[in-house]
Amino acid sequence: SQQGEEDPQALSIQEGENATMNCSYKTSINNLQWYRQNSGRGLVHLILIRSNEREKHSGRLRVTLDTSKKSSSLLITASRAADTASYFCATATHGQNFVFGPGTRLSVLP
Amino acid sequence: EAGVAQSPRYKIIEKRQSVAFWCNPISGHATLYWYQQILGQGPKLLIQFQNNGVVDDSQLPKDRFSAERLKGVDSTLKIQPAKLEDSAVYLCASSLGGGQRRETQYFGPGTRLLVL
Repeated sequence: SQQGEEDPQALSIQEGENATMNCSYKTSINNLQWYRQNSGRGLVHLILIRSNEREKHSGRLRVTLDTSKKSSSLLITASRAADTASYFCATATHGQNFVFGPGTRLSVLP
Repeated sequence: EAGVAQSPRYKIIEKRQSVAFWCNPISGHATLYWYQQILGQGPKLLIQFQNNGVVDDSQLPKDRFSAERLKGVDSTLKIQPAKLEDSAVYLCASSLGGGQRRETQYFGPGTRLLVL
């Protein structure tokens, strides 16, 4: 069964607005990572958060992790048209490799 | 620093034919991954190499898929014979490795396969 599952499946916002997407998972993890994939391209690593961390920032990105709820959120502030992409969470669990969720497709409209 | 290279970028074949994909990871990266990404889904790990040894191939359909990583650098993934449901993007990724599965993976642009 799938470990990570993003929500919503699709999201449309206006340029300048904030975008929030969530990831829920089922079992204990070592860390959780967020990746971005532009149409027709490979995945690009955005941020890694370890199981003992609660929040991390990178530029306009903010990731939170709540291990009690087995969930993470990715916030993109002041979105730009170039942020249009699919966003995936990937969980790394004990003894297993990364498992990617189905992704959130973000559209940022100019 | 050069990224992960993959070729070809696109491939169209008929079912029951064979096809091979090539991947050159980032220099010095010991771990190499092959993923299958079906349209609208997240990547699914097919096989992971640590240097030239297989670490995880539990989701590789071994009756038709094979992969090798000779000399612990480049890798090839082969499908023989191909089925319609193999139509997907095949992504190669690499990481520094050392047996730790927590590390950031760097992805190539992928090979888009269409099986007719």
